Amino acid sequence: AQSVTQLGSHVSVSEGALVLLRCNYSSSVPPYLFWYVQYPNQGLQLLLKYTTGATLVKGINGFEAEFKKSETSFHLTKPSAHMSDAAEYFCAVSRNTGGFKTIFGAGTRLFVKA
Amino acid sequence: ETGVTQSPTHLIKTRGQQVTLRCSSQSGHNTVSWYQQALGQGPQFIFQYYREEENGRGNFPPRFSGLQFPNYSSELNVNALELDDSALYLCASSLEKSYNEQFFGPGTRLTVL
Repeated sequence: AQSVTQLGSHVSVSEGALVLLRCNYSSSVPPYLFWYVQYPNQGLQLLLKYTTGATLVKGINGFEAEFKKSETSFHLTKPSAHMSDAAEYFCAVSRNTGGFKTIFGAGTRLFVKA
Repeated sequence: ETGVTQSPTHLIKTRGQQVTLRCSSQSGHNTVSWYQQALGQGPQFIFQYYREEENGRGNFPPRFSGLQFPNYSSELNVNALELDDSALYLCASSLEKSYNEQFFGPGTRLTVL
């Protein structure tokens, strides 16, 4: 069975500070991992994804994430937070064995203080 | 290039009624997935359609059903509405199933009274 756990429903950082949003997953098959961002009253937008290959993945808006199989983690980072980064962030895992399925985490709301 | 569109934007129904939500895929995309997002929660996978066939289903009862048409647009039908069905319903399209990027529509906000 697959599951996704996002540690911290709310994270608050100061503008210019490091952003770290945590995601741990469980999967019985090699995982395909994603981070999405959702702004108020909008759909989700893909930030980055890991399928195969390099474990450090770079995405849009300066975000990156590292797939660590030994820790079953896929944490999202950004060196310097910007006010426009304030949004809800979702980690997700997909598989296509026995039918397609995507599991999303509960989300982490990022607040950025001036 | 047209993005994913959903209709209607908002909908209010009463318990026991039936509802149909619609989704138009992004141009060139042959795969559509539907998600239910309750307030304050992450999206929950309902099902995925690939080339008009169901390609996977989440833990939703049979009263949640879907269709995908030859032009790859899609419908989500929910029968016998319950109060807990109140949520944002998101449609996402992608090219060739799972691991490609899913492009999400803005969603349909369903309220069941």
